[in-house]
Amino acid sequence: AQTVTQSQPEMSVQEAETVTLSCTYDTSENNYYLFWYKQPPSRQMILVIRQEAYKQQNATENRFSVNFQKAAKSFSLKISDSQLGDTAMYFCAWSGNTPLVFGKGTRLSVIA
Amino acid sequence: DAGVIQSPRHEVTEMGQEVTLRCKPISGHNSLFWYRQTMMRGLELLIYFNNNVPIDDSGMPEDRFSAKMPNASFSTLKIQPSEPRDSAVYFCASSLGGQVNSPLHFGNGTRLTVT
Repeated sequence: AQTVTQSQPEMSVQEAETVTLSCTYDTSENNYYLFWYKQPPSRQMILVIRQEAYKQQNATENRFSVNFQKAAKSFSLKISDSQLGDTAMYFCAWSGNTPLVFGKGTRLSVIA
Repeated sequence: DAGVIQSPRHEVTEMGQEVTLRCKPISGHNSLFWYRQTMMRGLELLIYFNNNVPIDDSGMPEDRFSAKMPNASFSTLKIQPSEPRDSAVYFCASSLGGQVNSPLHFGNGTRLTVT
């Protein structure tokens, strides 16, 4: 079975600073997709960024970017210029030929 | 775009009672997923549908759980009888294209508390 591991249960960052959230996954498939979702206190699950495994270029969305290392099966999320509104749970997810499998999440607190 | 709509937002019930959670996917989306979120187990897939047909229900915990999708705009997840260990947040999500790796659009979830 595919597994997704987020080794940092909690992290904090000062406002305007940069933070990196870690994610590793285990799969024998060659074609798959990776995602980061954000869950603020409102409980809504919001897609932050998506990476296709066959693309070597790292995905970026404004202040959010990923470092995708396929050989290492690593998919970290970098948040630049952190804002108070970035405070949330962040979930890494993997999907190949099956629906999304999620990690346990990292709780990020942005401190003013 | 109204997004995925789930009801109720909160449900409190007593052990042994029947619980029905409802979901309206985004119009035009042809895949629908039910996930359960708990502190201990995180987000777990319960069941998913493609074009209203259940594809994989291997995540449904036991026979007390059932899900239906009578048409493209409505799905239910039913628990009968409910137990305290069913307490969790239940999410419905939909996606476009029929491929399971398409981005999921989630509803706001239903927080179920069984006493």
